[in-house]
Amino acid sequence: LAKTTQPISMDSYEGQEVNITCSHNNIATNDYITWYQQFPSQGPRFIIQGYKTKVTNEVASLFIPADRKSSTLSLPRVSLSDTAVYYCLVGERDDKIIFGKGTRLHILP
Amino acid sequence: DTGVSQNPRHKITKRGQNVTFRCDPISEHNRLYWYRQTLGQGPEFLTYFQNEAQLEKSRLLSDRFSAERPKGSFSTLEIQRTEQGDSAMYLCASSPAGGGANVLTFGAGSRLTVL
Repeated sequence: LAKTTQPISMDSYEGQEVNITCSHNNIATNDYITWYQQFPSQGPRFIIQGYKTKVTNEVASLFIPADRKSSTLSLPRVSLSDTAVYYCLVGERDDKIIFGKGTRLHILP
Repeated sequence: DTGVSQNPRHKITKRGQNVTFRCDPISEHNRLYWYRQTLGQGPEFLTYFQNEAQLEKSRLLSDRFSAERPKGSFSTLEIQRTEQGDSAMYLCASSPAGGGANVLTFGAGSRLTVL
């Protein structure tokens, strides 16, 4: 399974756009990039998944450059309720899913 | 469908006692996963099932841990002779196998405190 590296923590302010970048230099051809969000005392929640270029849904956008060695999760106009831990995972669709430590995002008023 | 359900939500036990957690996945999901999470860490993979077959077990799953999914529906995770180091949140997740994106739906977890 490809190893991922992401910042341990980030701070931002309400109304700002937040970009969290994840490095996955050893990503394999069949690997997908998936992001999860976790609030305290809850299980992780799927946010978005992509293979290449850009994916957008109602929650976030995922930008993946051509070499796929990194990806950026973009959260538009964050609010206090976006304070959470965000996990970047890389693997084939049917792999067991291995989580790293994630990025603790703290939104300030 | 109410999503993935885990019971009990909280369990406090004394060292040496046995505990059992139950997970009811989303009904049409044939894959079921167990994870363990301690404070400040990401979820650690323990094991997963496809239907009733246990496909993989982590080295973290010592002999004191056993998971079952007898009829391919709900699953139980039993911890025998609990130790203080077993204190953690135990998370269950389910997903449909193959086909579309392998996206896990997690339950709210069962928090274990071993005194």
